[in-house]
Amino acid sequence: DAGVIQSPRHEVTEMGQEVTLRCKPISGHNSLFWYRQTMMRGLELLIYFNNNVPIDDSGMPEDRFSAKMPNASFSTLKIQPSEPRDSAVYFCASSLQMGSPTDTQYFGPGTRLTVL
Amino acid sequence: QKEVEQNSGPLSVPEGAIASLNCTYSDRGSQSFFWYRQYSGKSPELIMSIYSNGDKEDGRFTAQLNKASQYVSLLIRDSQPSDSATYLCAASRDFGNEKLTFGTGTRLTIIP
Repeated sequence: DAGVIQSPRHEVTEMGQEVTLRCKPISGHNSLFWYRQTMMRGLELLIYFNNNVPIDDSGMPEDRFSAKMPNASFSTLKIQPSEPRDSAVYFCASSLQMGSPTDTQYFGPGTRLTVL
Repeated sequence: QKEVEQNSGPLSVPEGAIASLNCTYSDRGSQSFFWYRQYSGKSPELIMSIYSNGDKEDGRFTAQLNKASQYVSLLIRDSQPSDSATYLCAASRDFGNEKLTFGTGTRLTIIP
């Protein structure tokens, strides 16, 4: 079975440009999570969805960041305009059932974003 | 103060020895705790979860939780070179694992 799929795997852009990161969760999973990982701050939860509905976006750093999940098999994280401090690895994860103690979040391979 | 604190390491342990990884958390409302392993350049993967005070064993791994001391640890017995990775501690206020707060991780190196 395919795991969580993310694209692109690497993105290099210039400050001020719009960046769109994409994620396809594991088929049948109902919850989707977006994380950002940096050396300084570690792995931070940005937003998560359950059944395509955003449940908690309190981790989204500012209005430049937005996320959508138009259907069960696709989500995007958009940064507009991008800034150098947004440089990080962005992970998407999915899980079968939110709130289940026996459930597991499966992480995608990540997108390494560099903003020059 | 970060909500979940870990020593960044690196922690070096001889092959075959016990590796001990520690984590403290500040939110007394945390109910569930997780250890993730992350190889260099790869994504995190869950290796252990623990919800009750005491020890939980799974193969060579033992997780320990002390809610009174707000302390979580992971012991790896008979350490192997393949255990060399960064270990992330995470906590959640819920018994489900949807909203996780991660530490910055401890880098572990097993020396052959």
